[in-house]
Amino acid sequence: AQSVSQHNHHVILSEAASLELGCNYSYGGTVNLFWYVQYPGQHLQLLLKYFSGDPLVKGIKGFEAEFIKSKFSFNLRKPSVQWSDTAEYFCAVIEGSQGNLIFGKGTKLSVKP
Amino acid sequence: DAGVIQSPRHEVTEMGQEVTLRCKPISGHDYLFWYRQTMMRGLELLIYFNNNVPIDDSGMPEDRFSAKMPNASFSTLKIQPSEPRDSAVYFCATTGGTANYGYTFGSGTRLTVV
Repeated sequence: AQSVSQHNHHVILSEAASLELGCNYSYGGTVNLFWYVQYPGQHLQLLLKYFSGDPLVKGIKGFEAEFIKSKFSFNLRKPSVQWSDTAEYFCAVIEGSQGNLIFGKGTKLSVKP
Repeated sequence: DAGVIQSPRHEVTEMGQEVTLRCKPISGHDYLFWYRQTMMRGLELLIYFNNNVPIDDSGMPEDRFSAKMPNASFSTLKIQPSEPRDSAVYFCATTGGTANYGYTFGSGTRLTVV
């Protein structure tokens, strides 16, 4: 079955530090990839998505992610984090263009001011 | 557009009681998903509908859980009888067309069973 692995459970950074959150998926065929963010006490919001084309995807709030097919990875990056980026980040994947989102366990990001 | 609307936002109930969670999807979105989020298990898909028809309910944990979508603008998730281990945040999410669009999530219902 399709699975998504987020290796970091909790990441703590100081403001202005660079961020990279890992995401690996198990399916070898066509996939659609997503990163969602959940701010404390709120619902999930879409940060960015990839389904074809340029493997470097830019999302909202300065986030970007790179799809590397050979590594089955879709890591999330941000050059300089802010305190307001404190949240939980979820990687998710769908096989093909139909079906349901499979979520990773999430990575909690804490940014110290 | 008001987005995906869930009610109630918070529910506290006693063990053994029936609980009904509600979701109003975005107009025109023909896929609707129910997820459960807990610290231990993360986000789990319970069931999803396409055009009001249940497509995959393999994630529904037990017969105590049931979900319906009587029309395109309303879905319910019912737990009867409820148990303390059902305590979680339940999210409804919807999407139109294919999954390429990504899902829009509701604000969730935080359920506490005591």
